[in-house]
Amino acid sequence: SQQGEEDPQALSIQEGENATMNCSYKTSINNLQWYRQNSGRGLVHLILIRSNEREKHSGRLRVTLDTSKKSSSLLITASRAADTASYFCATEAGANSKLTFGKGITLSVRP
Amino acid sequence: DGGITQSPKYLFRKEGQNVTLSCEQNLNHDAMYWYRQDPGQGLRLIYYSQIVNDFQKGDIAEGYSVSREKKESFPLTVTSAQKNPTAFYLCATAPSGRREAFFGQGTRLTVV
Repeated sequence: SQQGEEDPQALSIQEGENATMNCSYKTSINNLQWYRQNSGRGLVHLILIRSNEREKHSGRLRVTLDTSKKSSSLLITASRAADTASYFCATEAGANSKLTFGKGITLSVRP
Repeated sequence: DGGITQSPKYLFRKEGQNVTLSCEQNLNHDAMYWYRQDPGQGLRLIYYSQIVNDFQKGDIAEGYSVSREKKESFPLTVTSAQKNPTAFYLCATAPSGRREAFFGQGTRLTVV
């Protein structure tokens, strides 16, 4: 079973607009992470938020975590065509650091 | 990438054959993971390991086997028991202390 479920499945926006992606999960976690994948490549880590944190920023990225609702959101501000990719949330849980991913969101940024 | 080498990049297997995918890392990371990616399915966890000589089953371990005899290496064997092995396989590593994972570039396995 996949711990994280992203929403929406696909998102198409104009360059310069903001992109918001959501992730919900089912069980308690150690941390939640967001990754990016360009077609046919490996994943690249974007940002990690620990279970005792509520918000984190990194450049044009802002991630929030609501453990009471078991949900997270990733905001990409001032999007660029180069942001076009698939985005995944991942949750790390348990003593053995099991890292599980959702199905991903396909983001298209139109020039 | 960045110290994680998956080989080969493309692999073809005949039905009924076992095949082993290689994952080597020089990042000195403790944790290693194997994922399978199918179109529209996201990444599904096959096996993971936190230390040498120890590993745990993920969500879809049936038809796969692994070993962790060295810290640097975590090979994945796709056995003939795996009924639908055609997929993109990704290996990842992570340092201890619940940190982010680093991914290899993947192996695309096709059954012919």
